[in-house]
Amino acid sequence: GNSVTQMEGPVTLSEEAFLTINCTYTATGYPSLFWYVQYPGEGLQLLLKATKADDKGSNKGFEATYRKETTSFHLEKGSVQVSDSAVYFCALSVTNAGKSTFGDGTTLTVKP
Amino acid sequence: GAVVSQHPSWVICKSGTSVKIECRSLDFQATTMFWYRQFPKQSLMLMATSNEGSKATYEQGVEKDKFLINHASLTLSTLTVTSAHPEDSSFYICSASGTLYEQYFGPGTRLTVT
Repeated sequence: GNSVTQMEGPVTLSEEAFLTINCTYTATGYPSLFWYVQYPGEGLQLLLKATKADDKGSNKGFEATYRKETTSFHLEKGSVQVSDSAVYFCALSVTNAGKSTFGDGTTLTVKP
Repeated sequence: GAVVSQHPSWVICKSGTSVKIECRSLDFQATTMFWYRQFPKQSLMLMATSNEGSKATYEQGVEKDKFLINHASLTLSTLTVTSAHPEDSSFYICSASGTLYEQYFGPGTRLTVT
């Protein structure tokens, strides 16, 4: 079956630090990969996505590259801000029906 | 971008009563919607897949008679928690399937059963 494994949190960083949140996956077929962000008390928002190998998704300074050889989709940001504090979910989808498999989420706290 | 709304955003009900949560796709038609449950500091647990005009497909371990899902139109799906109990208290999130395999999520509904 399909699965997503995320780096365990919580992750606490100082403002302007470099962020990496690891994500690896197993899937049948050729999945599309996503990072979602959830701010406190809210639903999930799509942060970025990649639909095929070697694609790089980017948004709001965050980046992730679809690495088929390592089955990974690590999230990175060069300089985090306090406003980036949230829970980040890595996910994959292998069908066009949209059903996704989510990782357990990684809580990021950025301190000023 | 695609917008999904949920109503209500939070609800408190007494044990034994039923609660209905609505999920609407505001600017696109969604043939498929998903209902998730999220416990504090945990990931999303898919409860069911809702297809317009047909019965919902429930995940293993989800009581279909307790969590009634109706997808009456291409823009509306409802989740009814019947005979709610305190252990049903949770954050319920819906999503609608868009193009390119991605989902658009609603803001969630906080249910508290007293």
